[in-house]
Amino acid sequence: SQKIEQNSEALNIQEGKTATLTCNYTNYSPAYLQWYRQDPGRGPVFLLLIRENEKEKRKERLKVTFDTTLKQSLFHITASQPADSATYLCALDSSNAGNNRKLIWGLGTSLGVNP
Amino acid sequence: EPEVTQTPSHQVTQMGQEVILRCVPISNHLYFYWYRQILGQKVEFLVSFYNNEISEKSEIFDDQFSVERPDGSNFTLKIRSTKLEDSAMYFCASSEALRDYGYTFGSGTRLTVV
Repeated sequence: SQKIEQNSEALNIQEGKTATLTCNYTNYSPAYLQWYRQDPGRGPVFLLLIRENEKEKRKERLKVTFDTTLKQSLFHITASQPADSATYLCALDSSNAGNNRKLIWGLGTSLGVNP
Repeated sequence: EPEVTQTPSHQVTQMGQEVILRCVPISNHLYFYWYRQILGQKVEFLVSFYNNEISEKSEIFDDQFSVERPDGSNFTLKIRSTKLEDSAMYFCASSEALRDYGYTFGSGTRLTVV
């Protein structure tokens, strides 16, 4: 069955450092992979989407890589700030030729950035 | 920044009662979704909706669940006879297009079945 794994342990880093979060998946070939941020008691907030034929995507301090051979995505936050503290969710996007689309989610990695 | 609005933010209901969760998606979005998240667990897909009909639904979305877009702006999820295990955060989401776009999620409705 399809499986998505993210670092289960919380990641704590010092302000200013780069956070790197990992998303691994098996038994799946997603058309896209998305990263979201979720704060406690809130809905996920979309950050970045990367297509299966893209290796890397950047947006401001965020960078995502996508390796379909390794079945892995890495999510980087550079120059991290305490406000970046949240849970980060990886989601595989099953868009296909029809009108069907759904996201399959990882459990998320909790990131804490210490001042 | 346009938002997806969900009401109520918290709903407590007796087991066996019907609940309706309401959502107002972003106005120019065409695709609508319901997801749920049981406390401490992964976000789970329930149903997708396009062109006034269900595109896809998960195994969770059984006969007790239904969705409607009654008036062109609201998007509702109805649970006919709630069970204890339906207790979760329910998120509505919308997207502008089928591909190449992320989803915009609402803040969720916390449903507690007692």
